[in-house]
Amino acid sequence: GAGVSQSPSNKVTEKGKDVELRCDPISGHTALYWYRQSLGQGLEFLIYFQGNSAPDKSGLPSDRFSAERTGGSVSTLTIQRTQQEDSAVYLCASSSDRGNEQYFGPGTRLTVT
Amino acid sequence: AQSVSQHNHHVILSEAASLELGCNYSYGGTVNLFWYVQYPGQHLQLLLKYFSGDPLVKGIKGFEAEFIKSKFSFNLRKPSVQWSDTAEYFCAVNAHTGRRALTFGSGTRLQVQP
Repeated sequence: GAGVSQSPSNKVTEKGKDVELRCDPISGHTALYWYRQSLGQGLEFLIYFQGNSAPDKSGLPSDRFSAERTGGSVSTLTIQRTQQEDSAVYLCASSSDRGNEQYFGPGTRLTVT
Repeated sequence: AQSVSQHNHHVILSEAASLELGCNYSYGGTVNLFWYVQYPGQHLQLLLKYFSGDPLVKGIKGFEAEFIKSKFSFNLRKPSVQWSDTAEYFCAVNAHTGRRALTFGSGTRLQVQP
């Protein structure tokens, strides 16, 4: 079946602009996660959605970062007023309600110039 | 808070050599343990996992890992590596119950020379 998909695959933006990154989880997966992968920080957790529960936002690095998940499926990660340190690969993962294995998408490479 | 340490940052091996990548974690409760692999230009893929039971787990492509609770370790092994195993390997942990977000190690880049 189809895996986790993310769009765009690459995004170049100017410092100060807002960006939106999209994630389509595996159909039927109730849990959705955002991580980012950068040279200096490795793989870091950002935010986690589980069903209809309030999201776990404990990994968001600043209030410029937000995410929503509509209809329990697609999620959008928004970064406002982007900074150069936001440059990274943003990864989305999903897992089933009972499962503990997270399946990752290909990521969005964000470059802030 | 959870933390994961991978002590080998870059490993270079010849084909047919044996591999062992170290992973140690720090957490006060029961954990699930994972190894993910990222081949060049590809996304993260699950290599193997440990939730409970037999501490020796087998994954895809001939990889295995052993959970040693007393040492807080989950080392990855393969008896004979191939050139196609060239990739970056990440150890990860999450809580057995509750918060499922993964905490990753810094990764080990494995380079297998033909």
